[in-house]
Amino acid sequence: DQQVKQNSPSLSVQEGRISILNCDYTNSMFDYFLWYKKYPAEGPTFLISISSIKDKNEDGRFTVFLNKSAKHLSLHIVPSQPGDSAVYFCAANWGGYQKVTFGIGTKLQVIP
Amino acid sequence: KAGVTQTPRYLIKTRGQQVTLSCSPISGHRSVSWYQQTPGQGLQFLFEYFSETQRNKGNFPGRFSGRQFSNSRSEMNVSTLELGDSALYLCASSPQQSTVYNEQFFGPGTRLTVL
Repeated sequence: DQQVKQNSPSLSVQEGRISILNCDYTNSMFDYFLWYKKYPAEGPTFLISISSIKDKNEDGRFTVFLNKSAKHLSLHIVPSQPGDSAVYFCAANWGGYQKVTFGIGTKLQVIP
Repeated sequence: KAGVTQTPRYLIKTRGQQVTLSCSPISGHRSVSWYQQTPGQGLQFLFEYFSETQRNKGNFPGRFSGRQFSNSRSEMNVSTLELGDSALYLCASSPQQSTVYNEQFFGPGTRLTVL
C-alpha cells in the first residue's frame, strides 16, 4: 500500500525552464512533508520541507506547494540547472517521530 | 562535522547467511533510522532508534533487527538471508528531539547482494 505516490518515474526538462515534480499521498494523518534529492552512489540529501499548516514554502530556486484537500504536493525548481539532474523523493511524516514514508522517486534530467 | 558513515559499503553474502551493517551518525544526533531501497519500491522504513530504544518499526519480518549503542552508533542485522534482501541499505541520523520534526541526514548506504 503506497501511502506516498510519485506517479511519474522520470521527467526531462530543458535547462532554464521550470521543473515540476508531483506527489500524492493517501494518509490524512501526515502533517510534515519533505523532498530529498539523490545522486547515484550517494545517500539522499534533504532539499526542502513543508508543514501541513502551510501551503507554500520557498528556498531559493525550490518551492514546495501543498494542497491538503487534494492530498497533493509539488516541487517546483526554477530555473532548472543540469546539476539538478537526480532522483527526487517525496516523503511524509506524522506523529512527531522519524517514521518517514517515502515515494519511489522521480528521476529528473535537465538537458543543457 | 563529519557526515553519516556506513560500513561496509559493499557486501556479498549467500542465502541463509546473516549480515550485520554498521552506521555512525553525525555527532550529537540521537535518532538513527534504517531504510531499504530496492528498484521500484523506493525507500522503505525499517526502524528508528532514539537513545538506544527502538521507537518505530516498519513492516519487515523479524529477520531484520537492529540496535543502538550509548554513543548513538547503530547496527542492523539480517538473519537467514533471502535473495529478496538484496538492496541498498541506508542509514539516516537526525537531531530529533521530542516532537520537533527535523530532516534526516543519510549515509551513502551499504549495497548488499545475496547470491
